[in-house]
Amino acid sequence: RKEVEQDPGPFNVPEGATVAFNCTYSNSASQSFFWYRQDCRKEPKLLMSVYSSGNEDGRFTAQLNRASQYISLLIRDSKLSDSATYLCVANPGEGQNFVFGPGTRLSVLP
Amino acid sequence: NAGVTQTPKFRVLKTGQSMTLLCAQDMNHEYMYWYRQDPGMGLRLIHYSVGEGTTAKGEVPDGYNVSRLKKQNFLLGLESAAPSQTSVYFCASRRTGVAFFGQGTRLTVV
Repeated sequence: RKEVEQDPGPFNVPEGATVAFNCTYSNSASQSFFWYRQDCRKEPKLLMSVYSSGNEDGRFTAQLNRASQYISLLIRDSKLSDSATYLCVANPGEGQNFVFGPGTRLSVLP
Repeated sequence: NAGVTQTPKFRVLKTGQSMTLLCAQDMNHEYMYWYRQDPGMGLRLIHYSVGEGTTAKGEVPDGYNVSRLKKQNFLLGLESAAPSQTSVYFCASRRTGVAFFGQGTRLTVV
């Protein structure tokens, strides 16, 4: 089983839609979690960190469920510019590797 | 505002040739990583370093070597390139928490 798993998609949604992605991780000792965004042929860039109590940044909401070992990303009012691949990260702890999921591809359609 | 810089950005190698990819960061980060990304495969960790003078193997280390002689630099070497090493290579660095990526190196082995 991979350490971090995601549904690869693609998720094709119309502009203005709400879309949610889940990401599961297998290492229960994972301590910190992030969502990254990667545009085609570009490097991944941080979208947001994921905090235990959940956190929101504009149209984006991230949640962590430690009991079920998954994190989620909710995007409200999707824009064309949200089209990208979304990568989740589970960090087992300092001094260890930084594990990415395979990514979920989102296409927002006009 | 350099952040993480990778050189070269593009390279074409013949099978059997060797080369070194350089990653340099100016953020005084302890941790550095080399990933490769292939279509549909996500980011796969090749090697990583938790500090100057240290290296560790990641998920796909075979055919690669690394060195971290200076804190700011992390070198990835291919001793005898193979077509299977055709990929996009990303370097990343972090202190704690968020990782920052270089712009990537597109390597083709023919």
